[in-house]
Amino acid sequence: NAGVTQTPKFQVLKTGQSMTLQCAQDMNHNSMYWYRQDPGMGLRLIYYSASEGTTDKGEVPNGYNVSRLNKREFSLRLESAAPSQTSVYFCASSERGRAMSQFFGPGTRLTVL
Amino acid sequence: DQQVKQNSPSLSVQEGRISILNCDYTNSMFDYFLWYKKYPAEGPTFLISISSIKDKNEDGRFTVFLNKSAKHLSLHIVPSQPGDSAVYFCAARANTNAGKSTFGDGTTLTVKP
Repeated sequence: NAGVTQTPKFQVLKTGQSMTLQCAQDMNHNSMYWYRQDPGMGLRLIYYSASEGTTDKGEVPNGYNVSRLNKREFSLRLESAAPSQTSVYFCASSERGRAMSQFFGPGTRLTVL
Repeated sequence: DQQVKQNSPSLSVQEGRISILNCDYTNSMFDYFLWYKKYPAEGPTFLISISSIKDKNEDGRFTVFLNKSAKHLSLHIVPSQPGDSAVYFCAARANTNAGKSTFGDGTTLTVKP
């Protein structure tokens, strides 16, 4: 039981390059989330998917797109990376319901030069 | 405007003593609160939560107190152990938010042996 897995762990991009961050969970959770964490700050929600087939914008969606490929997988795409997107990205999943806590992956550390 | 604030970026306590981490919120729609713990190079992990219908929730060495009128919650760790050294995030959720949480910036706790 791996929980939430993210690939890659580290990535360096040049400005304007594109890439996709992958996330998968094996807990049969309905909801999945993408956050970014900048130094000294909390986690800010980029996009979330309340259930398979649905996605919605979070607090900071500009410059990102997502795909909920199936119930297990939720990917985050940067079409044209910018230095402001240098951050640590966390994927999370949870069951539906207000009282459900989120399970987080180990994070992807992205640097955009 | 930040809706969840952790005003102390860091806290240092002696092993065996009590650690008190504070969190304030501004959005009166928040009705469920969670604390997460994060070690370096790992994703956050869920620690303890509290519903707005309660004023206290206890789990072993961890107790969360909620003062709704003051829009304030606190996490007490007694006794503190060196392994508790981590970043602690307060998160808040509204019933209408489909499971989305708003995070504070975190407090780094250091427990000295």
